[in-house]
Amino acid sequence: RKEVEQDPGPFNVPEGATVAFNCTYSNSASQSFFWYRQDCRKEPKLLMSVYSSGNEDGRFTAQLNRASQYISLLIRDSKLSDSATYLCVVNPSTGNQFYFGTGTSLTVIP
Amino acid sequence: DAGVTQSPTHLIKTRGQQVTLRCSPISGHKSVSWYQQVLGQGPQFIFQYYEKEERGRGNFPDRFSARQFPNYSSELNVNALLLGDSALYLCASSFGGNTPEAFFGQGTRLTVV
Repeated sequence: RKEVEQDPGPFNVPEGATVAFNCTYSNSASQSFFWYRQDCRKEPKLLMSVYSSGNEDGRFTAQLNRASQYISLLIRDSKLSDSATYLCVVNPSTGNQFYFGTGTSLTVIP
Repeated sequence: DAGVTQSPTHLIKTRGQQVTLRCSPISGHKSVSWYQQVLGQGPQFIFQYYEKEERGRGNFPDRFSARQFPNYSSELNVNALLLGDSALYLCASSFGGNTPEAFFGQGTRLTVV
């Protein structure tokens, strides 16, 4: 079983739509969780950390459900510039040994 | 402030050759991790170094090795290259310890022919 599982998509949504990505992880002892964004042929960039209490950054909201080992990312009012691959990332320990999902591809259509 | 820098950005090698990839972390960051990303997949963890010591190793063959220098920069070495080693190699920098957020360099795109 993979450490992190994501629906690869693709998700094609119109501008202004709300879109949600989900991710599950296998190690219940995992310590920290993130969403990264990766543009085509570029490096992953940290979008936001994910906390049990949930956190919001502008149009982006991340949630963590430790009981279900589930992480989500909600994007409201999608912009063309949101088109990218979104990577769910889990850190199973206090080190920096991240496990990545395969990524979910999002295309926002005018 | 400079971000994570990796060199070279692109590299073409032939099967059986050896390659060395380099990474300079963000100033003040003591942890460096290496990842391999093949097309269509998420990055896969190869190594982590913190304060010049190996702290973790992913499921990669012994042909892969790495080290971290006193200035916290790092090198990833791959021996006896195979076609399947063609990938984007990413270096991630972080403070380490209780600050897990990591920041990636632009990567080295390795093509083995």
